[in-house]
Amino acid sequence: KNEVEQSPQNLTAQEGEFITINCSYSVGISALHWLQQHPGGGIVSLFMLSSGKKKHGRLIATINIQEKHSSLHITASHPRDSAVYICAVQGGSEKLVFGKGTKLTVNP
Amino acid sequence: EAQVTQNPRYLITVTGKKLTVTCSQNMNHEYMSWYRQDPGLGLRQIYYSMNVEVTDKGDVPEGYKVSRKEKRNFPLILESPSPNQTSLYFCASSSPPPRRGVSQPQHFGDGTRLSIL
Repeated sequence: KNEVEQSPQNLTAQEGEFITINCSYSVGISALHWLQQHPGGGIVSLFMLSSGKKKHGRLIATINIQEKHSSLHITASHPRDSAVYICAVQGGSEKLVFGKGTKLTVNP
Repeated sequence: EAQVTQNPRYLITVTGKKLTVTCSQNMNHEYMSWYRQDPGLGLRQIYYSMNVEVTDKGDVPEGYKVSRKEKRNFPLILESPSPNQTSLYFCASSSPPPRRGVSQPQHFGDGTRLSIL
């Protein structure tokens, strides 16, 4: 069983909608990462967080350590936000464990 | 510009023909890692390196080799490629190296799509 579960697997939204992607994990962690993979394949790091909340532009990431859960929110979504969003956690070692990703499509 | 550069971006080859995917970073990062990404399985770590001359197996190392002779380069070698190694490969780097309780964002290359017939 994957230690990192993301939901939903696929998400389609209309431009302007508020988007939430969820990530649950089963082990204690030192940090959680949110990554974005565009259709061209490249991966960029969006956030790294170990507590609380971080915001960058229209993107907001939150984490609840007690509930072992994180959410990535996108406000005022735009077609250019269409991508696969990947959650990854670092637990008791130096390795990252990845979720399978959430494919977001934002239609104009 | 800070970047991780992988070459080639695309390669179609045949079973058994040795190949090397190069990875180079210009950020003086200690930590480098190779991942493969397959549909339905997500990203899985192949090998990683905490610093020059220090490499270790990830979760799926079978059929791969790596070397870390210089800080900037971390090539991935497939000595005898097989069709089950058809995948999308990513190299990543970060600094300082991740360790228990400490994490850093990783910088990823653009990916190498390998098809082995």
